[in-house]
Amino acid sequence: AQSVAQPEDQVNVAEGNPLTVKCTYSVSGNPYLFWYVQYPNRGLQFLLKYITGDNLVKGSYGFEAEFNKSQTSFHLKKPSALVSDSALYFCAVRDRAGGYNKLIFGAGTRLAVHP
Amino acid sequence: NAGVMQNPRHLVRRRGQEARLRCSPMKGHSHVYWYRQLPEEGLKFMVYLQKENIIDESGMPKERFSAEFPKEGPSILRIQQVVRGDSAAYFCASSPGSLANNQPQHFGDGTRLSIL
Repeated sequence: AQSVAQPEDQVNVAEGNPLTVKCTYSVSGNPYLFWYVQYPNRGLQFLLKYITGDNLVKGSYGFEAEFNKSQTSFHLKKPSALVSDSALYFCAVRDRAGGYNKLIFGAGTRLAVHP
Repeated sequence: NAGVMQNPRHLVRRRGQEARLRCSPMKGHSHVYWYRQLPEEGLKFMVYLQKENIIDESGMPKERFSAEFPKEGPSILRIQQVVRGDSAAYFCASSPGSLANNQPQHFGDGTRLSIL
């Protein structure tokens, strides 16, 4: 079965500093990977996805993610963090178990950006 | 464009009652997914529906839970005889096509179900 792991429950970073939120995956076949962000009492918002092509994927709000096949990782990055980036971030992989497509989510990483 | 609409946003039920959660997908979206999020956890897939059809219900508990997406009207997630363990946030997502076409899912703001 496909799975993703987010090894950090929380990431703390100072405003203006670069941020990284880690995600590793385990899939059979080609991975289709996604990042979503969740603000308090809200649903998930799509940030970016990797299907094929360039290993560096650019997404919404200045975020990008680097796909690394040898390390089976898909870390989310941003060059300069904002306080408003503070939220819960989820990595997800497309799973085709049972013949139908669904998303399998990681447990989430809480990002706290301090002024 | 209105996003995915879920109602109610908060629902309180006593043990043994029924809970009905509604989801109206984005305009033009015919694929609906339901997920459950327990506190401090990620989302867990429950069921995937297209209009009038349940496509994949592999994540749905075998008893007390059911889902539908009628030809007209919203998708409904129904939980009968609720228990304390059903307390969670339930999210609906929709997409214009299936994930096979790499369409991202758009999420509603969820229904937070509390069982007394």
